[in-house]
Amino acid sequence: GAVVSQHPSRVICKSGTSVKIECRSLDFQATTMFWYRQFPKQSLMLMATSNEGSKATYEQGVEKDKFLINHASLTLSTLTVTSAHPEDSSFYICSAPRTGEGEQFFGPGTRLTVL
Amino acid sequence: GENVEQHPSTLSVQEGDSAVIKCTYSDSASNYFPWYKQELGKGPQLIIDIRSNVGEKKDQRIAVTLNKTAKHFSLHITETQPEDSAVYFCAAILSGGYQKVTFGIGTKLQVIP
Repeated sequence: GAVVSQHPSRVICKSGTSVKIECRSLDFQATTMFWYRQFPKQSLMLMATSNEGSKATYEQGVEKDKFLINHASLTLSTLTVTSAHPEDSSFYICSAPRTGEGEQFFGPGTRLTVL
Repeated sequence: GENVEQHPSTLSVQEGDSAVIKCTYSDSASNYFPWYKQELGKGPQLIIDIRSNVGEKKDQRIAVTLNKTAKHFSLHITETQPEDSAVYFCAAILSGGYQKVTFGIGTKLQVIP
């Protein structure tokens, strides 16, 4: 099946620093990718839709200046958490649809801990 | 937008028994219904899916049923094993283009050896 990777798998940073998370589709091209955030024992919450070559679309309540998304190629989207604070600590997951017929493939997730 | 309700939120079964998780959706236009399994610390993995032109689909011990009229679909796991223990999410999507996924709240399944 299709594979989506994320890097890093976990990161610990100090408050006030910025962290970049990469999401790659390894065996298919993805013009659209999605970024989710998941708190413990909760479902995945969609943060934004990343569109190759254009601006990302953010869900209501998600600060676009804090969560910068860049989709510079058909296989790579990046999420940068700027000026991270402890409340940004969470599990971040990306996904990429492959065929446009609904199937989505999820990355393994990135555990962010902000001290 | 689409709203997906999932229950139960937790489910404990004895090894070898069956487990059933149910979901309902609100948008009658949704036509693709995947189920994902998420193990602790990992991303969701697609385990089975069904489209609106099919009423039932089976893959070994896993089956999914869909009732379009009632707008609900269910995941059935038979002969459960300890490795089936995980959180399961249902979702409903209007396919065509690249649509975002609306997830249910998840069901934590525990299979007791």
